[in-house]
Amino acid sequence: AQTVTQSQPEMSVQEAETVTLSCTYDTSESNYYLFWYKQPPSRQMILVIRQEAYKQQNATENRFSVNFQKAAKSFSLKISDSQLGDTAMYFCAFMKYGGSQGNLIFGKGTKLSVKP
Amino acid sequence: GAVVSQHPSRVICKSGTSVKIECRSLDFQATTMFWYRQFPKQSLMLMATSNEGSKATYEQGVEKDKFLINHASLTLSTLTVTSAHPEDSSFYICSARDGGDDNSPLHFGNGTRLTVT
Repeated sequence: AQTVTQSQPEMSVQEAETVTLSCTYDTSESNYYLFWYKQPPSRQMILVIRQEAYKQQNATENRFSVNFQKAAKSFSLKISDSQLGDTAMYFCAFMKYGGSQGNLIFGKGTKLSVKP
Repeated sequence: GAVVSQHPSRVICKSGTSVKIECRSLDFQATTMFWYRQFPKQSLMLMATSNEGSKATYEQGVEKDKFLINHASLTLSTLTVTSAHPEDSSFYICSARDGGDDNSPLHFGNGTRLTVT
């Protein structure tokens, strides 16, 4: 079975600074996807970034980037130039390659607070 | 805006009654939808996979007779919490994939806060 671990229940960062959220996972699969989702107070789940395991290049989306270390089964999220609107719960998630169509396994989340 | 509509956003019911939650895909058809449950300050846990025209697939430990899922059309799945108890109080979220492959976007509803008194 796959597991996703987020070891930081809460983090805070000053506006405009950079913060890194940690995520590790365990799987015997060789092909899979990893995601970071954001859940603001509105509770809407918003996709932040995704990474295909077969790609060595780390995914980036504007101020968001990941450090994907496949051998170490680590998938951290870096948020640069943090903004007040980044305040939210952040969930790391895993999905097997092919056939599952959306069966995501989530970590317990990290509550990020961006302070002015 | 959200392309998956979930209704109601909040519901309060008394113990022993049943509550129905709807999940609709807007502007796309979803043969498969997913129902998650989120306890306070916890992660989302997959409850079941809803399949259009066939029975839902439930995750281990989820009572299928308590959480009835119906996926009668390609745009609508419903979750009915039967004989609700206070411990069923939680946040329920549905999701649906717009497309048939892993690269297709997965959209989440805004969730339903269920409180059983």
